[in-house]
Amino acid sequence: QVQLQESGPGLVNPSETLSLTCTVSSGSVNSGSFYWSWIRQPPGKGLEWIGYISYSGSTNYNPSLKSRVSISVDTSKNQFSLMLSSVTAADTAVYYCARHYDSGTVFFDYWGQGTLVTVSS
Amino acid sequence: QSALTQPASVSGSPGQSITISCTGTSSDVGSYNLVSWYQQHPVKAPKLMIYEVTKRPSGVSNRFSGSKSGNTASLTISGLQAEDEANYFCCSYAGSSTFVVFGGGTKLTVL
Repeated sequence: QVQLQESGPGLVNPSETLSLTCTVSSGSVNSGSFYWSWIRQPPGKGLEWIGYISYSGSTNYNPSLKSRVSISVDTSKNQFSLMLSSVTAADTAVYYCARHYDSGTVFFDYWGQGTLVTVSS
Repeated sequence: QSALTQPASVSGSPGQSITISCTGTSSDVGSYNLVSWYQQHPVKAPKLMIYEVTKRPSGVSNRFSGSKSGNTASLTISGLQAEDEANYFCCSYAGSSTFVVFGGGTKLTVL
């Protein structure tokens, strides 16, 4: 069973860069069959897709966040990472990583448990 | 405010059936048969319950079923069990740029 686990600081100062890593176990980010996404959920609100990356490094970002987001993959560590710059309180959320197939369909078959990131000084 | 609209809460007694709606637009739910549903228990990772509107992943009970009509998708849970009490949210493909949109989630209470 594939497992995903988010890690990173739980508190980030306003205007700084949020950085999270998702470690994949019992599966490989190097698989050409999947994309790897970041999704977030602000407190009391719905989910928002942030972006995804393939094993080869091709990316697609939510247009509303595109100017501030960067997602990268490290196949040697079986990890992919999120960087979100110039954060504000509005970026406070539970951040999830998840996997989805890359061809002809869209659904997230495995998710991490999520990590709460609070933006505050 | 979420892109897809779900009721905030639904409830039912053990053994009953409930349906959770997920209303989008002609740009997402109405245009693609790529609606999925997820179950989330507190402090747990979301679990895929339905994909491509009606399909169930291996291991998911056949008490869970999905459907779609126009811009509204629905998740039906029959024979409610206590373990079904959780938060449920929907997701739809919305084109290559937006990619996916989500519902705000529905809290299911088993009375």
